[in-house]
Amino acid sequence: EIVLTQSPDFQSVTPKEKVTITCRASQSIGSSLHWYQQKPDQSPKLLIKYASQSVSGVPSRFSGSGSGTDFTLTINSLEAEDAATYFCHQSSSLPQTFGQGTKVEIK
Amino acid sequence: EVQLVQSGAEVKKPGESLKISCKASGYSFSRYWIGWVRQMPGKGLEWMGIIYPGDSETRYSPSVQGQVTISGDKSITTAYLQWSSLKASDTAMYYCARPSSIAAADGFDIWGQGTMVTVSP
Repeated sequence: EIVLTQSPDFQSVTPKEKVTITCRASQSIGSSLHWYQQKPDQSPKLLIKYASQSVSGVPSRFSGSGSGTDFTLTINSLEAEDAATYFCHQSSSLPQTFGQGTKVEIK
Repeated sequence: EVQLVQSGAEVKKPGESLKISCKASGYSFSRYWIGWVRQMPGKGLEWMGIIYPGDSETRYSPSVQGQVTISGDKSITTAYLQWSSLKASDTAMYYCARPSSIAAADGFDIWGQGTMVTVSP
């Protein structure tokens, strides 16, 4: 099973600041890495698919990069509505797995 | 509109059986995989398994293999997750989700609203 390790676990950020969340895979997964945002009492929402592909309807301040084992989700100019927990997800091999999550709090 | 609508919250006792549902609409149900994801209270997301409704091909995570059954009914465009004997540790929110393309490996862009299952004596 491929283990995804996100860092940091928690981040407290001021509005307009840039946020970077990393996801490291225990073995190479190519670009089969997706990012989600989950707000309290809501279902997860897909932000980025296949490491860097944008998803329709997602604000352009969200971007992704990386391949192989190291991936990054970047939120440019954080807004108050971005307070949430962010998860990475690999679909390269079964079982598919998720990272443990990164909680982003607004200062 | 493409959507997945899940059945309502359940409260069960240990040892009881349960089948929760995920009703799909707005797309060709048989052509897209549907996955199930567990989220225990206050915890992260856990991939449980996935089914291709077209031929009922199903894959499970080793962590739930033998503990749950994933199935689907094309005639009513509904996927199911069932237990034959619930445990307290099955208490969680369960989501169904659909990949954004017909590829099983795509990101999940359509999610159900979740079904909360509580197992308590």
